[in-house]
Amino acid sequence: EIVLTQSPDFQSVTPKEKVTITCRASQSIGRNLHWYQQKPDQSPKLLIKYASQSFSGVPSRFSGSGSGTDFSLTISSLEAEDAATYYCHQSNSLPYTFGQGTKLEIK
Amino acid sequence: QVTLRESGPALVKPTQTLTLTCAFSGFSLSTHGMCVSWIRQPPGKPLEWLARIDWDDDKHYSTSLKTRLTISKDTSRNQVALIMTNMDPLDTATYYCARMTISDTNFQYWGQGTLVTVSS
Repeated sequence: EIVLTQSPDFQSVTPKEKVTITCRASQSIGRNLHWYQQKPDQSPKLLIKYASQSFSGVPSRFSGSGSGTDFSLTISSLEAEDAATYYCHQSNSLPYTFGQGTKLEIK
Repeated sequence: QVTLRESGPALVKPTQTLTLTCAFSGFSLSTHGMCVSWIRQPPGKPLEWLARIDWDDDKHYSTSLKTRLTISKDTSRNQVALIMTNMDPLDTATYYCARMTISDTNFQYWGQGTLVTVSS
């Protein structure tokens, strides 16, 4: 089973700040890595698929990069509405796995 | 428009069997490449993938839970069911169903989730 480790677990950030969240896989997963945003009491929403492809309707301030074992999600200029928990997910091999999540708090 | 909706008991007792249903619309699970997964999230904890059923009735399970899980589909009713046996308080979670396709293996569509509490 592939383990995904996100960093950091928690970050308190100010609006307009640039934020980067990383996700490291325990073995190579190519580009089969996806990012989700989850706000309290809501279902997760897909942001980025296959490491760097923006999902339809997602603001352009969200971008992803990486391949193999190291990936990152970047928010170029944080907005208050971006307060949420972010998860990475690998679909390279079953069983699918998720990272432990990164909670972003807006100062 | 793709929608999914989970339903099931809000409360189950320890050792009981949980049956959840995912009713969906906007696609058919008989269409080549369609897949539906179950994912859960204990309160305040991360997402955990549980199981997946495919258009051809192929089934895949979480390694740690596979002895307790059964996933099935009713294509004519556009429903997917998940059965989990021997429920424990640690199984308290919001259970989601989500759709993917075999050619686009991410979860673009999610249900709203259903909270299941395991308590005597």
